[in-house]
Amino acid sequence: NAGVTQTPKFRILKIGQSMTLQCTQDMNHNYMYWYRQDPGMGLKLIYYSVGAGITDKGEVPNGYNVSRSTTEDFPLRLELAAPSQTSVYFCASREYGWEYGYTFGSGTRLTVV
Amino acid sequence: GQQLNQNPQSMFIQEGEDVSMNCTSSSIFNTWLWYKQDPGEGPVLLIALYKAGELTSNGRLTAQFGITRKDSFLNISASIPSDVGIYFCALGEYGNKLVFGAGTILRVKS
Repeated sequence: NAGVTQTPKFRILKIGQSMTLQCTQDMNHNYMYWYRQDPGMGLKLIYYSVGAGITDKGEVPNGYNVSRSTTEDFPLRLELAAPSQTSVYFCASREYGWEYGYTFGSGTRLTVV
Repeated sequence: GQQLNQNPQSMFIQEGEDVSMNCTSSSIFNTWLWYKQDPGEGPVLLIALYKAGELTSNGRLTAQFGITRKDSFLNISASIPSDVGIYFCALGEYGNKLVFGAGTILRVKS
């Protein structure tokens, strides 16, 4: 059981480039989330989804886009990368109900230069 | 939005010491969760609390859901070097999202 898988683990982007961070879960969870974590800081919610075809903004959505065409996949798209997007990005998923909290992926470390 | 305060921001531990940290919220909630993040990894759920006054243990970790339902405490007994990392409290908020505290960074005292 792989859980939540994120790719790539590391990436360096030049300013203005675009990329997609991939997230896949094999637990049939309806709820999926994208967070960013800046050095020494907590987790900030970028976008989330409560099911295929349904997405909503979190607290820091600017500069990002998401889509949810299947239950398993929740990719995060960065358009026109900026240095302020240098961060570690975590994808998470959960079942309905809070008993087990979120299951997190191992993260993607992104540097924009 | 929901205000969640986590203290302390950071602390140093010496092997064998007991460690305590806490979180307080501005509103009443029904679920408190505690996570640990090891360096280079995603957070992992340690303990979940669902009832006011509930005390739950997981090995050397003990967490309590405050009786007012606005706070929670996490204690680590007899700390060991692998306890270092970042500990987050989180609330199961209405609206399908968890709200995370800013984290408590545990470091080893040299």
